[in-house]
Amino acid sequence: KAGVTQTPRYLIKTRGQQVTLSCSPISGHRSVSWYQQTPGQGLQFLFEYFSETQRNKGNFPGRFSGRQFSNSRSEMNVSTLELGDSALYLCASSNILAGEGKNIQYFGAGTRLSVL
Amino acid sequence: GESVGLHLPTLSVQEGDNSIINCAYSNSASDYFIWYKQESGKGPQFIIDIRSNMDKRQGQRVTVLLNKTVKHLSLQIAATQPGDSAVYFCAENLANAGCTSYGKLTFGQGTILTVHP
Repeated sequence: KAGVTQTPRYLIKTRGQQVTLSCSPISGHRSVSWYQQTPGQGLQFLFEYFSETQRNKGNFPGRFSGRQFSNSRSEMNVSTLELGDSALYLCASSNILAGEGKNIQYFGAGTRLSVL
Repeated sequence: GESVGLHLPTLSVQEGDNSIINCAYSNSASDYFIWYKQESGKGPQFIIDIRSNMDKRQGQRVTVLLNKTVKHLSLQIAATQPGDSAVYFCAENLANAGCTSYGKLTFGQGTILTVHP
């Protein structure tokens, strides 16, 4: 099975621009979560989508948004980029086994965003 | 002001030694825990998980111990190899708190493991 695929791997943007990142989950996985990783804050949860609905959201401003398509692929968008948005953005997919109380999330390699 | 980066704990061991990586988790209601390994330039890779109704779980060369009384997790790696060098993260989840919590993992700050040949 192919793993989680994120595109692009690297992006350079300038302040004020907007950016869209893409994530293709593992086949059959319906939950997609997004995380931001920075040296200062570590790994922080952005939001999670399941069946095209946002089920959970972290403490990020409204400039950060996302969506999920019917094939479970997901995109996240950051508008009006700020220097502090420079980070590694990670996507994870999960085949949540609710009955077993498990939520193993499998991560992609991430998109490295640099805001200049 | 200037932001300060996280100062990750470090653990340096010799090849063949056993390694123990510790993690204090934050939410006493968390009922599911995962250890991840992250190598440079890669996303976190699943190592092992444990539910809160267990206090120990073993995998291949790895063991996770859970102490709910003090909200502490540890990852033991037997016969550590240079390929084990990476940053290790613990993550917690409220897997049984309802579907709205499923997708959110809360990560610890991480520990840098360096294995010397």
